[in-house]
Amino acid sequence: DGGITQSPKYLFRKEGQNVTLSCEQNLNHDAMYWYRQDPGQGLRLIYYSQIVNDFQKGDIAEGYSVSREKKESFPLTVTSAQKNPTAFYLCASSIMWNAGQSSNQPQHFGDGTRLSIL
Amino acid sequence: GESVGLHLPTLSVQEGDNSIINCAYSNSASDYFIWYKQESGKGPQFIIDIRSNMDKRQGQRVTVLLNKTVKHLSLQIAATQPGDSAVYFCAFKAAGNKLTFGGGTRVLVKP
Repeated sequence: DGGITQSPKYLFRKEGQNVTLSCEQNLNHDAMYWYRQDPGQGLRLIYYSQIVNDFQKGDIAEGYSVSREKKESFPLTVTSAQKNPTAFYLCASSIMWNAGQSSNQPQHFGDGTRLSIL
Repeated sequence: GESVGLHLPTLSVQEGDNSIINCAYSNSASDYFIWYKQESGKGPQFIIDIRSNMDKRQGQRVTVLLNKTVKHLSLQIAATQPGDSAVYFCAFKAAGNKLTFGGGTRVLVKP
């Protein structure tokens, strides 16, 4: 079945450590996204990528980095510069939304990675 | 399971009754709207979407209504079932290939 796989499901970070969250999709989607979700809040966009080797900052990119070397993969690194990393991280993918409403299709989500501080 | 959100607005509904969840948006340029359902510890699951050239769209037991005049979106769930208990998010597309999400509403179905 096609879908989005995030790993690991749970991750712990030590002080001063960088950690990388994995996201893989086999939906043949061009666009991929990383969101952060805190309790009692909606999803906030960290980074997104519309094509291989290109990505853009979202609303809360500080302390995070990404790469897009392959269409299927969009890993997120939470760096030591992110002082409040404890959250639920969600990866999504979609087709490209070109001009015109007919191309709009929903983003599909993985089941998330919960990151905590040791 | 783990809580998705601890302080979300909550809608309590009796099993078998209809549920209505509301969402307001601010960007009049938004042209595509989506409702997602999120169960505890999982990612959001697509329910239904609507484009701005429509004002109503129906799915299986769900209906989305769009009022562009007052920038209001609603999700109606018919004959609410225990499996409908979850957090529901609206999302809307504005500029670029990005979505903006609402804060979410928790639906609790009472047996």
